[in-house]
Amino acid sequence: GENVEQHPSTLSVQEGDSAVIKCTYSDSASNYFPWYKQELGKGPQLIIDIRSNVGEKKDQRIAVTLNKTAKHFSLHITETQPEDSAVYFCAALPPYNQGGKLIFGQGTELSVKP
Amino acid sequence: DTAVSQTPKYLVTQMGNDKSIKCEQNLGHDTMYWYKQDSKKFLKIMFSYNNKELIINETVPNRFSPKSPDKAHLNLHINSLELGDSAVYFCASSLGIGELFFGEGSRLTVL
Repeated sequence: GENVEQHPSTLSVQEGDSAVIKCTYSDSASNYFPWYKQELGKGPQLIIDIRSNVGEKKDQRIAVTLNKTAKHFSLHITETQPEDSAVYFCAALPPYNQGGKLIFGQGTELSVKP
Repeated sequence: DTAVSQTPKYLVTQMGNDKSIKCEQNLGHDTMYWYKQDSKKFLKIMFSYNNKELIINETVPNRFSPKSPDKAHLNLHINSLELGDSAVYFCASSLGIGELFFGEGSRLTVL
């Protein structure tokens, strides 16, 4: 089955710097890769996603890149702000005939210092 | 209006007790899930229902029993609670296999 590895587990940056979180997946048939942000005491919330037919997607200060050959995808946050501090999860979705089950990475705790 | 609401938010109970967590979504989604988040923040799917039908049942002890009375509700009942059941349990919903909308979580502490 699909396995998703996420690094780093913790990341501390200064306000205004960029942050990059990387994930690798094992099942080359996976075709959907969302990123979720979980603030303290809340449930995870989708912030950006990418499908396997696209290499990059941007939404204001966040972007996601996908390298299907290498089976890895990354989240880039530019001009970080204290409110970006949260736990970020990547995930991969194998084809529906394998259960339609979103597989999450282990999470990255991002801390943005003012 | 809260999209995915689950109750209670906090649950403290003794080992061996039985407890339930309720979940309701008002998004009109057809698929609902239960996820368990352990102390290391790892999110693991437990169950998934599509239109009241169980479609994903991970390797979860039989003490855990989901029930979906209709497609807007998915409840989780846990029998004979153990210390290792302590975690945050998240309900989520989606339209087909799409964006997951999570509830705020129910923190279960077993003493």
